[in-house]
Amino acid sequence: EPEVTQTPSHQVTQMGQEVILRCVPISNHLYFYWYRQILGQKVEFLVSFYNNEISEKSEIFDDQFSVERPDGSNFTLKIRSTKLEDSAMYFCASSLAGIYNEQFFGPGTRLTVL
Amino acid sequence: AQSVTQLGSHVSVSEGALVLLRCNYSSSVPPYLFWYVQYPNQGLQLLLKYTSAATLVKGINDFEAEFKKSETSFHLTKPSAHMSDAAEYFCAVSDPNTGNQFYFGTGTSLTVIP
Repeated sequence: EPEVTQTPSHQVTQMGQEVILRCVPISNHLYFYWYRQILGQKVEFLVSFYNNEISEKSEIFDDQFSVERPDGSNFTLKIRSTKLEDSAMYFCASSLAGIYNEQFFGPGTRLTVL
Repeated sequence: AQSVTQLGSHVSVSEGALVLLRCNYSSSVPPYLFWYVQYPNQGLQLLLKYTSAATLVKGINDFEAEFKKSETSFHLTKPSAHMSDAAEYFCAVSDPNTGNQFYFGTGTSLTVIP
């Protein structure tokens, strides 16, 4: 059964460093998403991506963040100059279509900023 | 604005007992509602979804949920808990007027006592 994969499973970085979180969505899906969950808090939407551009983003997704689909399979989230408060679990998701469609989630990347 | 409230961050039930996980939502329009389950070290897996068809929705592993508009609720139930049901459960709402993003609750951790 196809699934969304994410690497690495755990990333530790120093404050101020750049990190890139990687995701491989399900191959025939067209919509891609990033969510994050700070420990003990809600899963929060960051950004959605369709047709090689951002279709929606939340207020969390500021200039520190960027997304890219560098090739036909990967979908990346870059965080420039990480802050302590960026420590969270980051989930990638993909869906075949947009509104109302089931989003398939990856296992997450736990980012720890020291 | 859309939001989801899951009452009870931790629920414990005995094996064979009824499982009831609560979810209330707020939405300005009829929403689409989802329950996801997360097993340790895995991604979020869809249990079931409500998309304005039947109000009683059946999902995988004998889970079901009933959409009650008057109560703005979408509680998840299972008649008889199994040890394998121990996991984190997330309720989510999608609002067609605001796009594809999902709004999640804080999650409920289910423990099944043998």
